[in-house]
Amino acid sequence: GAVVSQHPSWVICKSGTSVKIECRSLDFQATTMFWYRQFPKQSLMLMATSNEGSKATYEQGVEKDKFLINHASLTLSTLTVTSAHPEDSSFYICSANRIGAAFQETQYFGPGTRLLVL
Amino acid sequence: GEDVEQSLFLSVREGDSSVINCTYTDSSSTYLYWYKQEPGAGLQLLTYIFSNMDMKQDQRLTVLLNKKDKHLSLRIADTQTGDSAIYFCAEFTGTASKLTFGTGTRLQVTL
Repeated sequence: GAVVSQHPSWVICKSGTSVKIECRSLDFQATTMFWYRQFPKQSLMLMATSNEGSKATYEQGVEKDKFLINHASLTLSTLTVTSAHPEDSSFYICSANRIGAAFQETQYFGPGTRLLVL
Repeated sequence: GEDVEQSLFLSVREGDSSVINCTYTDSSSTYLYWYKQEPGAGLQLLTYIFSNMDMKQDQRLTVLLNKKDKHLSLRIADTQTGDSAIYFCAEFTGTASKLTFGTGTRLQVTL
């Protein structure tokens, strides 16, 4: 149990276009979903935290108009990178807390989405 | 502060034990985690420990926590080539309600 999927797994787009990444909890309902960014050979940096039906909380330095997060249901969150530029190229990983889990703080991670902006 | 530090690289021979270390600075952390990341993949939760525990064993994995020194370690017994990956420690602090990840340790297992 506690499987998180992401779609697409990789995407290449032209500069200026917008890209949507989906994060789904497949076999559980999530209290909270998180979006991280990971640069090559670096650690994960939390971008934002989202709860179903409410606005996302963004970390300092993350542009909310650039990285739009929609948390439509207890099993789906989407991250839209608007007007993508080459510097947005990165590995984006989502995670989710599991409703009813013994330890609600434990996060289960998706496989990641690699974005390359040309 | 919330800096979580790990050594960058560890190389061990197959069959030996691996010990990956992690130091953190936030004394209010409540849970500490170890995650494994294989190339091009997301993070796999390996194990976790409460901050009021000293040790936790789970099959080949042993986690040791020294809260006084803010030091966490992960021991992998009988290391296999499939254990080659990057290992991240992470702390959860109730005040911030988020995970802070370490810098990651790349484990290389040689034959």
